[in-house]
Amino acid sequence: QKEVEQNSGPLSVPEGAIASLNCTYSDRGSQSFFWYRQYSGKSPELIMSIYSNGDKEDGRFTAQLNKASQYVSLLIRDSQPSDSATYLCAPRTRWGKLQFGAGTQVVVTP
Amino acid sequence: DGGITQSPKYLFRKEGQNVTLSCEQNLNHDAMYWYRQDPGQGLRLIYYSQIVNDFQKGDIAEGYSVSREKKESFPLTVTSAQKNPTAFYLCASSIEESYSYNEQFFGPGTRLTVL
Repeated sequence: QKEVEQNSGPLSVPEGAIASLNCTYSDRGSQSFFWYRQYSGKSPELIMSIYSNGDKEDGRFTAQLNKASQYVSLLIRDSQPSDSATYLCAPRTRWGKLQFGAGTQVVVTP
Repeated sequence: DGGITQSPKYLFRKEGQNVTLSCEQNLNHDAMYWYRQDPGQGLRLIYYSQIVNDFQKGDIAEGYSVSREKKESFPLTVTSAQKNPTAFYLCASSIEESYSYNEQFFGPGTRLTVL
C-alpha cells in the first residue's frame, strides 16, 4: 500500500463543472495537509492547506478533511482551462516530513 | 521580490561527473529541502536542513551531498555514485521544519539529464 494514494487520472472535466480529487494517506499521525498544483514542466505551487476536520474554502477551491477515514479531498468549482494541471496531495507525517502522492492530472475541456 | 531561485534551469551531466545545483532563498526561512521528481511519481525527499551548518538525510540520500553554510543557500551535489540521476530537482523552503503548520514553497526546479 502506498503511503499517499491518488487517482492518477486524467480526470476530464467540462468547463464550468466541479472537479473532485481524492487522496488517502496511511499515517494516522498526520495533522496538516497540503494541496499543490503543478503545471507541466513547472514546480509545484501551494494552493490549499487544511488542518482540522471539515471543509475549508478559498475562492473556487474547497478542501475537505476526514482524519478518522484518513481521507482528504479537493473540489474545484467552476473549472477553467487554466485549472488543467496535476494536483499533488501532501500530508505532513508525524515525523514532520511532507509525503507526496503521485498526483491527479486534471484536464478541463471547453 | 521574495522567493526561491534555482540554477541552472537545465543541466547535462556526463558519466562519472559530479554536478552542483544551486538553491537560494530570500524569504528568511530556516528550513530548506531538496526533492527529486521522476515522471509519474511523487516528490521524494533527498536532504533537508533545519538550521545553518546542520542537515539530515531524506529517503533517497545515496549519491547526493549538501551543505548549509549560509541561511540563504542550500546547494545539492549529484555525485558520480548516483547511478540514475536524470530527474527534475526541486528545492523548497519553510519557516521552520518543526512548525506543525509548516508550508513549503518551491523554487522553479532544475532539470538534470545524463548524457
